[in-house]
Amino acid sequence: EDKVVQSPLSLVVHEGDTVTLNCSYEVTNFRSLLWYKQEKKAPTFLFMLTSSGIEKKSGRLSSILDKKELFSILNITATQTGDSAVYLCAVDSWGKLQFGAGTQVVVTP
Amino acid sequence: DTAVSQTPKYLVTQMGNDKSIKCEQNLGHDTMYWYKQDSKKFLKIMFSYNNKELIINETVPNRFSPKSPDKAHLNLHINSLELGDSAVYFCASRAGTSGTDTQYFGPGTRLTVL
Repeated sequence: EDKVVQSPLSLVVHEGDTVTLNCSYEVTNFRSLLWYKQEKKAPTFLFMLTSSGIEKKSGRLSSILDKKELFSILNITATQTGDSAVYLCAVDSWGKLQFGAGTQVVVTP
Repeated sequence: DTAVSQTPKYLVTQMGNDKSIKCEQNLGHDTMYWYKQDSKKFLKIMFSYNNKELIINETVPNRFSPKSPDKAHLNLHINSLELGDSAVYFCASRAGTSGTDTQYFGPGTRLTVL
């Protein structure tokens, strides 16, 4: 059975800290891996990864995919309170997204 | 302009009622989805339509019936609502089905069944 596992499930950090979120997967017909940020409402898109070893970067956020070991990481550097959210990893398999349970990140001032 | 919109944003209803949620996207995308997010925040796909044709139908009770009148709209009708249907329902869309297009989500409809 396909699965997407995120770790940790939650963490609390201080402003300025660096955070690393993990996503491992086992799916048939892998097409892409996506990261979303969810605050109180809809998930908002962060990154899509399709190739191993190529880092995607946007400001303080970056992500990389390892298709051999079947995982991805999302890094957030110099965290701010506005980074507090649930971060969702999803894998596209057969044209549908399968989501992990999410990692709840709380950034304290 | 809102890319993916849903109505209503909140829906409170009694058990046994029938209700509908509407979704519209103005991105020109061919594929639309319905997801359910339960109280544990787990997002699970329910249905997908591509150019008005049903292409994904997960294990969902047949009380849930999606309808796509055109490729910009995907509605969800729920019959005989049950307590367990309480959740946030998200609509999403993407350009195609290749798996390398981003999915964009609507704001969600919070359904509460009393």
